[in-house]
Parts: sequence; structure tokens; C-alpha cells
Amino acid sequence: KNEVEQSPQNLTAQEGEFITINCSYSVGISALHWLQQHPGGGIVSLFMLSSGKKKHGRLIATINIQEKHSSLHITASHPRDSAVYICAVRGGGADGLTFGKGTHLIIQP
Amino acid sequence: EAGVAQSPRYKIIEKRQSVAFWCNPISGHATLYWYQQILGQGPKLLIQFQNNGVVDDSQLPKDRFSAERLKGVDSTLKIQPAKLEDSAVYLCASSLRGWNSPLHFGNGTRLTVT
Repeated sequence: KNEVEQSPQNLTAQEGEFITINCSYSVGISALHWLQQHPGGGIVSLFMLSSGKKKHGRLIATINIQEKHSSLHITASHPRDSAVYICAVRGGGADGLTFGKGTHLIIQP
Repeated sequence: EAGVAQSPRYKIIEKRQSVAFWCNPISGHATLYWYQQILGQGPKLLIQFQNNGVVDDSQLPKDRFSAERLKGVDSTLKIQPAKLEDSAVYLCASSLRGWNSPLHFGNGTRLTVT
């Protein structure tokens, strides 16, 4: 069974700061998802990646398959980025996704 | 493109009552998932459909939970009878073709059992 660990659990930063959220997993995977969940429950898929790096606007996701580690970066953070960011992986014996517990990000103006 | 639609948005019931949730996935998405998310935890898969067939329901408490996707499009999730520990957000998601396609989530149904 894949163990997915996210760090930090909680992060408070000032507007404009560069944000990094980390995700580590214990067993090799075929795909990793980064999800954003706003208060109220709605979840938005940000990235799905299996290697390398992806960029969308101010968001960048990287993955290192050998180290079993992924990072989500937010450049020029803004209060509207405040949300829970969830890492989920597929593989490692499980057919479905294994979710991390999420990182609760607050960006203060 | 229209997103994943879920209803109701909120539901409050007493324990031992029944409740049903509805989900309409993105048009053309073959795979539909129901997740349960308890406060402070990541989502837990309850059931996965591929078209109208069940692919994975290993974590579905079948003594009280049931789900169907009869025509391979929209789906209903039912709880009967509800317990206090069923209080959670129930999320529906869909993808074009299984786990290696991006997931699209609905806004969820927040269930409170009193």
C-alpha cells in the first residue's frame, strides 16, 4: 500500500511569497495528481504528471520518480490561492488513487 | 464544457434515516467515482464505475450504502440507514477513461447526520 505524506500540513504566508508544498510517497507510481480544494468542498484538478515538470500560470509541479517526491510551487502568491492542496498518487499495487491529507495554505494580504 | 453536477449541496438528516445523492458527470466521461471526505482527511474512494459497470467497490459499506449508474451516465449514491459517522462531504468525480486521465470533481454534498 502506498503511503502519501504531505508537508507542511499548514502554511501561512504573505501575499507575493513563493510557496512550496511537498509530497512524498513510498511505492513507485504511474501518475501523481495535485488537487486544490476550496472551503465548501469543491475540488479542482491542477496537474496530473508522471515525470518532469508542468507549469500552468503561477503554478508549477515537479516530480522526481527516483526520489518518490513531488513539489507544487506557487509564484507571486495571492489571497485567492488560499485553499487545501492535496496530492494523490496512482500505483504501488492499488488500482485507485491514494490521497495525502492535504496542506492547508493561507495567503495573507 | 459543463462540469460535474451534484445535488443536493447540503443535507441534514437524523440517524437511521435514508438519504440519496445525485451526480451527473461531464458528458462523454466513461469513469465515475464517489468519494467520502470526512473533515480533516483526504477523500476516500467508495465506488468506481466504468460506464454502467462497477470496477471497484471494495471500500463501500455495502450493508448501508448502495450506488448505481444504470444508463452509464448519471449516478445515485444512497445511504440507508444513516449513522452519525456518515457525516462527511460526498464527492462525485469523473474522468474520460480511468485513473490515468485527469479527474474532474463536483462541488460535493455536505451531509450532516444528527
